[in-house]
Amino acid sequence: AQTIHQWPVAEIKAVGSPLSLGCTIKGKSSPNLYWYWQATGGTLQQLFYSITVGQVESVVQLNLSASRPKDDQFILSTEKLLLSHSGFYLCAWSPDRGPNERLFFGHGTKLSVL
Amino acid sequence: AQKVTQTQTSISVVEKTTVTMDCVYETRDSSYFLFWYKQTASGEIVFLIRQDSYKKENATVGHYSLNFQKPKSSIGLIITATQIEDSAVYFCAMRSMSNYNVLYFGSGTKLTVEP
Repeated sequence: AQTIHQWPVAEIKAVGSPLSLGCTIKGKSSPNLYWYWQATGGTLQQLFYSITVGQVESVVQLNLSASRPKDDQFILSTEKLLLSHSGFYLCAWSPDRGPNERLFFGHGTKLSVL
Repeated sequence: AQKVTQTQTSISVVEKTTVTMDCVYETRDSSYFLFWYKQTASGEIVFLIRQDSYKKENATVGHYSLNFQKPKSSIGLIITATQIEDSAVYFCAMRSMSNYNVLYFGSGTKLTVEP
């Protein structure tokens, strides 16, 4: 069975500090990977997607970057946090590239920027 | 451009009744895929049901079904025999063939099922 693990569960960070969030998928080779951001009480906004190791595509510009250093790992980061970065970050995966594929979400990371 | 709109911010129903949640979408593509996801109070998000634009038959999974009205660009979620555990936020989402690596979500509808 496939599993998705996100870390950390929660972070409290200062404005201007760096950030690194991670996501690992086990039990599925070459998954499509996604990062989503959700403001408190808000919708889910797709940030990045990756269909293969080393390749990441940006969907929206929020002063964040993403990398896929391994087939099963997806990293979201920034060198300088903004207050607007606060929210809930969710990693997701899908087994194939098909447009009808469902997404499987991780449990998310709650980020508070103070 | 793709857009998904859920106008119902919150709905409250009594247990064991039927509830319908509305969703309208915008896309220029003739082929697209519509999804409903559920987010529980813990933040967990799970897929519920999908409708492919080329299928005329409404999708049904368990006590979830869809009311797909293509001419109105509408995809309503129907939950029959609601249970307390159905209390959650429900998101409608769309993916178009021309940009199928991006899934666009609506703003969500909070459902409260009361005893």
